[in-house]
Amino acid sequence: RKEVEQDPGPFNVPEGATVAFNCTYSNSASQSFFWYRQDCRKEPKLLMSVYSSGNEDGRFTAQLNRASQYISLLIRDSKLSDSATYLCVARDDKIIFGKGTRLHILP
Amino acid sequence: EPEVTQTPSHQVTQMGQEVILRCVPISNHLYFYWYRQILGQKVEFLVSFYNNEISEKSEIFDDQFSVERPDGSNFTLKIRSTKLEDSAMYFCASSPQTDHTEAFFGQGTRLTVV
Repeated sequence: RKEVEQDPGPFNVPEGATVAFNCTYSNSASQSFFWYRQDCRKEPKLLMSVYSSGNEDGRFTAQLNRASQYISLLIRDSKLSDSATYLCVARDDKIIFGKGTRLHILP
Repeated sequence: EPEVTQTPSHQVTQMGQEVILRCVPISNHLYFYWYRQILGQKVEFLVSFYNNEISEKSEIFDDQFSVERPDGSNFTLKIRSTKLEDSAMYFCASSPQTDHTEAFFGQGTRLTVV
């Protein structure tokens, strides 16, 4: 069975701190990877794609390790508005979501 | 910015009734999906659709479910005889040309079966 595993959290982090999430995927045939964020009772929204070389978008950095089948997301200088559930996604012919990691940024 | 739109935002139906959930994917996208999320649980894949046919479906997508693209813009999910356990948020998504790109999600239809 093709799975994406994440620590469900919650991660309670003070504003301004750095937080990192990890995710593992079981299907070695997965070809593309993404991080989505989901606010309570809302749709998943694309945060960023994850490339083999690693990529950065402002305060967010994503890394992919194909050998270990492992994806990470780093959030620097966290803001209150970063509070959400972060969904790890692996994709081959369909999009498989992890259960998500809940993040609470504390004032 | 183009977006996926879904209607209705909330549907309440009696057990055993048929429901049709509607989606308008982003206009130049070619791959379409339905997902569901039971309250407090993960987002689960139901079905993918490309070139006017189902390309993949999950074990959840049994004979009571069907999808259709009746015209050039709408993409529908029909549940023939709803059960209490069908109560969930149903998300439609679409992707552009290749099937390994990101998908964009609609705001969802909350289905409540009573």
